[in-house]
Amino acid sequence: EAQVTQNPRYLITVTGKKLTVTCSQNMNHEYMSWYRQDPGLGLRQIYYSMNVEVTDKGDVPEGYKVSRKEKRNFPLILESPSPNQTSLYFCASSPVRGPYGYTFGSGTRLTVV
Amino acid sequence: KQEVTQIPAALSVPEGENLVLNCSFTDSAIYNLQWFRQDPGKGLTSLLLIQSSQREQTSGRLNASLDKSSGRSTLYIAASQPGDSATYLCAVSEYGANSKLTFGKGITLSVRP
Repeated sequence: EAQVTQNPRYLITVTGKKLTVTCSQNMNHEYMSWYRQDPGLGLRQIYYSMNVEVTDKGDVPEGYKVSRKEKRNFPLILESPSPNQTSLYFCASSPVRGPYGYTFGSGTRLTVV
Repeated sequence: KQEVTQIPAALSVPEGENLVLNCSFTDSAIYNLQWFRQDPGKGLTSLLLIQSSQREQTSGRLNASLDKSSGRSTLYIAASQPGDSATYLCAVSEYGANSKLTFGKGITLSVRP
């Protein structure tokens, strides 16, 4: 089944403890991206990647890092999480161009205390 | 900067009603427009994708239209059912290296039995 898989689904952590949210897609998509969803603010892009080793900042990149060493994986790294990073996170992928839309993962609900 | 607006924020209708959800965007230079459904605390499910050169797309009881020149899209749901209760999000993607999605804040639909 074509899908984007995120792990974990739920995570509670403490301020300052480094964490990684994994994202993997099995559709051979070039483009991958991370979004966060917050009440009243909607979905906002954090980082994106056009292909292996090509990443760039989205609208709200502060406090996050990403890497794209393989085409299928695009992990989101929070090196020193803070409570304002408590949010619902989504990974998405798509072909770079063409009549195709985005496929989203099921989301990761992160709570930083 | 692209802005996507969905009004109203919430809608309640009786079962069986045909309904229209509206979406407007400020910059008509979009690559495509995608409608998503989101159940509470869940991921985003793609419903319909309309390329910028298209006027509408249909899937089952759903029909989405696009009028780029006026910056509007509508999602028509025929014969609504309680199972259609969810939040419906409209998103537009851009031309350029970052084909990010800019989302509206969504319309929360409740279909009463």
